Amino acid sequence: GDSVTQMEGPVTLSEEAFLTINCTYTATGYPSLFWYVQYPGEGLQLLLKATKADDKGSNKGFEATYRKETTSFHLEKGSVQVSDSAVYFCALVAGNQGGKLIFGQGTELSVKP
Amino acid sequence: EAGVAQSPRYKIIEKRQSVAFWCNPISGHATLYWYQQILGQGPKLLIQFQNNGVVDDSQLPKDRFSAERLKGVDSTLKIQPAKLEDSAVYLCASSLRQGIGIQYFGAGTRLSVL
Repeated sequence: GDSVTQMEGPVTLSEEAFLTINCTYTATGYPSLFWYVQYPGEGLQLLLKATKADDKGSNKGFEATYRKETTSFHLEKGSVQVSDSAVYFCALVAGNQGGKLIFGQGTELSVKP
Repeated sequence: EAGVAQSPRYKIIEKRQSVAFWCNPISGHATLYWYQQILGQGPKLLIQFQNNGVVDDSQLPKDRFSAERLKGVDSTLKIQPAKLEDSAVYLCASSLRQGIGIQYFGAGTRLSVL
């Protein structure tokens, strides 16, 4: 079945460091890909999305490019802030699944001043 | 615009007891989802409603879990009887329509079964 695999956390970085969180997927057909973020004590919220190959999603300085050839959707940010500390979830929606989101296990990011 | 509301935020029960969670989605959102998030894992879909009809409940343990969405608005999720392995955060989400993957999540209910 469809699945998403993320790099294990927690990831600890200093402020202004470069961030990469790896995400790969397995899916039949052509899924849409998402990154959701969960700040402490809050619900998940959409960070960015890409719906077809080579699309780049971006928001709040974060970027991810839909790579069909490597079935990947890695999240990057050039300079992280303490306020970026959260749990990040990669997810997909398969075209024939009625909008069901399939999530990776999440990667906790901690940014130190 | 008000977000997805869930209650209670926390619940502690003993095994074999029953528990219910409530969700009020964003106004006008036709699709409502219940997810189970076990510690250290990503959310897993339990059930999806389109208005007040069930679209997908393939992952719902129907011997103990039930859910309803009366009048296509609020929804309740019930567990009876609870088991230790039901300890998790239960998330409700809603979206304007199904199939697009853009969902709005509530803060969740953290359930501890002792």
